[in-house]
Amino acid sequence: QSALTQPASVSGSPGQSITISCSGSIFDIGTYNFVSWYQQHPGKAPKLLIYDVNSRPSGVPNRFSGSKSGIAASLTISGLQAEDEADYFCTSYTTSASFLFGGGTRLTVL
Amino acid sequence: QVQLVQSGAEVKSPGASVKLSCRTSRYSLVNYRMNWVRQAPGHGLEWMGWIITENGNTNYAQKIQGRVLLTTDTSANTAYMELTTLTFDDTAVYYCAGGQKLHHWDTWGQGTRVTVSS
Repeated sequence: QSALTQPASVSGSPGQSITISCSGSIFDIGTYNFVSWYQQHPGKAPKLLIYDVNSRPSGVPNRFSGSKSGIAASLTISGLQAEDEADYFCTSYTTSASFLFGGGTRLTVL
Repeated sequence: QVQLVQSGAEVKSPGASVKLSCRTSRYSLVNYRMNWVRQAPGHGLEWMGWIITENGNTNYAQKIQGRVLLTTDTSANTAYMELTTLTFDDTAVYYCAGGQKLHHWDTWGQGTRVTVSS
């Protein structure tokens, strides 16, 4: 199975909104609502931001939101802040009872 | 909240095996779904496998099937990941990650760096 497809990089200015896309297939995103998003700052472990497409764990600001349509999912960050600069990874459960990650997207806050 | 504490960095020769540990603090490992994820230098995240602690059921990534073994010792609240026949491509930071649900991982270990070098 191939990795999910994410843009390599996105950027935005403080206060703006950005969206990161994550494209899969009928064998993963297209079948299950088990899409998660993780944020990773350099040298740190990933942190869960969104699970089950659009649910946020406690403590994650509501500036972070997720959605899904067909075989693609997306993460939207509104009201960009400097501390949002990080790598973002999507992941999905698959029909093989495994998980696929996207290649990751580097977010730069200008 | 559960914390996951991983074992220290390892340096191995090609062809060797490595066994990493991941210990939970404060809570029992029972009824936990533990995954292992690795990240090669400058690369993205790669899922390796999961284990359901109460029954030992596992599933592994096809790429490393046959070389990886996930186990748990619930009495010690510790999960293990063993990877055999190491190659240079196995150089990475290895994370344990899990939670009460299989499909998302709200707790991550701090990572263990494994370097395969001759």
